[in-house]
Amino acid sequence: DGGITQSPKYLFRKEGQNVTLSCEQNLNHDAMYWYRQDPGQGLRLIYYSQIVNDFQKGDIAEGYSVSREKKESFPLTVTSAQKNPTAFYLCASSSYMNTEAFFGQGTRLTVV
Amino acid sequence: AQSVAQPEDQVNVAEGNPLTVKCTYSVSGNPYLFWYVQYPNRGLQFLLKYITGDNLVKGSYGFEAEFNKSQTSFHLKKPSALVSDSALYFCAVRDGGNAGNMLTFGGGTRLMVKP
Repeated sequence: DGGITQSPKYLFRKEGQNVTLSCEQNLNHDAMYWYRQDPGQGLRLIYYSQIVNDFQKGDIAEGYSVSREKKESFPLTVTSAQKNPTAFYLCASSSYMNTEAFFGQGTRLTVV
Repeated sequence: AQSVAQPEDQVNVAEGNPLTVKCTYSVSGNPYLFWYVQYPNRGLQFLLKYITGDNLVKGSYGFEAEFNKSQTSFHLKKPSALVSDSALYFCAVRDGGNAGNMLTFGGGTRLMVKP
């Protein structure tokens, strides 16, 4: 089955800890994205990557980091510098030739 | 810069009635326009897109959208709403002339369909 897999579905973080959210796709898409969604709000772009070993900051990159060592994988690390990390995180991918993005099922991160 | 506006936070409609969810956009190049739907605690599902051609685009689950270049709008419509259509709907735009492949989303509109 082709698609985007995010894990875990739920994640709890203690204050001061770094956590990493996984995103894997088998759609052979070049571009991958991370979005943050807060309750009652739209999607805000954190980071995006158009090719392997290259990525750019989005609108709210502070306190986050990413890597793109493989085409299929685009993990997001939420660092202790992110002061308000509780949110729903969505990963997406798209092909340059296909214009729509396909989304994973999301990871809900909660700070405890 | 590109942007999307969804002027209604919530739209209420009775089951069986037609529904419209509004979207206006701003983009410097050719607009590529999209509608997505989100159910609680789930990712976004693609509904339909406009790239070029016929201004009326048909998509999944009986939804359609009309591209209006002069009004820079891309409203989502359905002739007869179902209770199961209740969800959060997002409009998005991409600049077709920009190889950066970036999607910009609106703030979302919650659709409530009542029996």
